[in-house]
Amino acid sequence: AQRVTQPEKLLSVFKGAPVELKCNYSYSGSPELFWYVQYSRQRLQLLLRHISRESIKGFTADLNKGETSFHLKKPFAQEEDSAMYYCALNGGATNKLIFGTGTLLAVQP
Amino acid sequence: GAGVSQSPSNKVTEKGKDVELRCDPISGHTALYWYRQRLGQGLEFLIYFQGNSAPDKSGLPSDRFSAERTGESVSTLTIQRTQQEDSAVYLCASSFGVGLTGELFFGEGSRLTVL
Repeated sequence: AQRVTQPEKLLSVFKGAPVELKCNYSYSGSPELFWYVQYSRQRLQLLLRHISRESIKGFTADLNKGETSFHLKKPFAQEEDSAMYYCALNGGATNKLIFGTGTLLAVQP
Repeated sequence: GAGVSQSPSNKVTEKGKDVELRCDPISGHTALYWYRQRLGQGLEFLIYFQGNSAPDKSGLPSDRFSAERTGESVSTLTIQRTQQEDSAVYLCASSFGVGLTGELFFGEGSRLTVL
């Protein structure tokens, strides 16, 4: 079964500290993985996708097939990064994303 | 419109009543998705439309739930004989074409409260 696990409901860090939001997935094939973000009072929106290998707002995420992980990282957190982050998996021919339960990132001043 | 539009934004209903939730996708987006988000939980896939067809209804939790799409545009999610466990935020999203690029454009959601 396809599944996405985000073990932390809440991650609280101080401004300037490194951030790592954990995501593990369960899928036997070659997955496509994404991070979505929801800022306060805004819509859920795409942050980044693993196939693009891009850095968005200083965030990066590397797909580790051996560990079946796709952790989201940023070296220096900013207050404006505070938001709800969702990891999502597209596991094959089905055109749907499977989402994790989300992690609330709180960056303290 | 500029984005995905959902209505109503909030709906309070009594147990046993039927509700209809509406989604207007971004113009030109052929794929449309419904997700449900219960308090403290992730997004739960309900149904997906490609054009007016629904190739994947696997997430609909019971036969009380149904959805349709017309004119490759507006979609309506109907919940019959609502139960308290149906209380959630119902999110609609749309995207371009067949094949998933990963970028779903979400609406603001319809918050349903069943008393």
